[in-house]
Amino acid sequence: QKEVEQNSGPLSVPEGAIASLNCTYSDRGSQSFFWYRQYSGKSPELIMFIYSNGDKEDGRFTAQLNKASQYVSLLIRDSQPSDSATYLCAVIAGNTGKLIFGQGTTLQVKP
Amino acid sequence: SAVISQKPSRDICQRGTSLTIQCQVDSQVTMMFWYRQQPGQSLTLIATANQGSEATYESGFVIDKFPISRPNLTFSTLTVSNMSPEDSSIYLCSVEDEGRSKGQETQYFGPGTRLLVL
Repeated sequence: QKEVEQNSGPLSVPEGAIASLNCTYSDRGSQSFFWYRQYSGKSPELIMFIYSNGDKEDGRFTAQLNKASQYVSLLIRDSQPSDSATYLCAVIAGNTGKLIFGQGTTLQVKP
Repeated sequence: SAVISQKPSRDICQRGTSLTIQCQVDSQVTMMFWYRQQPGQSLTLIATANQGSEATYESGFVIDKFPISRPNLTFSTLTVSNMSPEDSSIYLCSVEDEGRSKGQETQYFGPGTRLLVL
């Protein structure tokens, strides 16, 4: 079992829709969870982090964390073509303190 | 967040040669990291570089192949030695935001170095 799992996609949504990206992790001791956005040919850009169960909202982005079920999700409201990118879920492993990345989900927002 | 730059941004190298990648940060940071992102893959941690101590390498990565220097709190280098086509990747440095509590550390990435080995 991979430490951090994501559906590679591509996830295709129409412009203006809500995009829902999901991530599961295996280490119950993990405390910190991150979403990075990576445009093709660019480096990862941190867009959200969440430490506590529940929802965290920042503009059009909402991160959701459920530690009991070991999943974290990212919702993008009013999706725009400029949101088309690969979204990487990352978790700080509880035992090592290292940042572990999932494989990433490719999002395509169609005009 | 810190501003991170990397040199070179890209390079094409011949098999058997070595390339040194530089990472410069605009503020002093304790923790710097080197990652590799192979084509179509996610990020894999190569090593952690702390100033004043030897780099700590992850399983599958060795100092002879990826020597790292960390001479001060704003600079690090990663050398990819005796390159083969399998080393073709994006190499990324990152730094940890030190303004956060333990367990809430946040990493920011440099722009990356795109390496193609022929």
